[in-house]
Amino acid sequence: DQQVKQNSPSLSVQEGRISILNCDYTNSMFDYFLWYKKYPAEGPTFLISISSIKDKNEDGRFTVFLNKSAKHLSLHIVPSQPGDSAVYFCAALNDYKLSFGAGTTVTVRA
Amino acid sequence: NAGVMQNPRHLVRRRGQEARLRCSPMKGHSHVYWYRQLPEEGLKFMVYLQKENIIDESGMPKERFSAEFPKEGPSILRIQQVVRGDSAAYFCASSPQGVNTEAFFGQGTRLTVV
Repeated sequence: DQQVKQNSPSLSVQEGRISILNCDYTNSMFDYFLWYKKYPAEGPTFLISISSIKDKNEDGRFTVFLNKSAKHLSLHIVPSQPGDSAVYFCAALNDYKLSFGAGTTVTVRA
Repeated sequence: NAGVMQNPRHLVRRRGQEARLRCSPMKGHSHVYWYRQLPEEGLKFMVYLQKENIIDESGMPKERFSAEFPKEGPSILRIQQVVRGDSAAYFCASSPQGVNTEAFFGQGTRLTVV
């Protein structure tokens, strides 16, 4: 029962351009959404979050957009940098449980 | 201020053996969560514990798996009689409160069953 879906397993983007990562969810009870970044052999690191009462949250180069009616959120990274190459997980929170997507591997080309 | 510490980082067990995974939460955090990541998948919730209490173990397999978070010492995830399908990365996270808005994750334990 995959309640959070990231349909693009990978994304390749040129340095300096925008990276757009997408995420869809099915459970309308989710009230908080998070993006995590993960390097190989390390744990996920919190990146940015958004509450269901908002439609946008921005932190430096990272912006998360939430479309509740479409049950869709996206993460924009601009400009993309080589250090952004990692796996990005979308996660949704219901009370204390995080439900994760399968992840999108981002590769930033020089 | 050390982050969430998990050990061992890598664990190899033969089928039928027991695996013990340890997690020390961040200082001041009394809520611990265990997640499992199978290859090519996202992290799946297993169990949520507070000190000396299991709050929610709905993600744990009913048999062979158990978890504890004693008053003193780390949280332990225990897998008895391991099988090949238990091979995965196991991540522990902690938070200062039960509403898990920004859980901090450890580096994980990669369990390989041979």
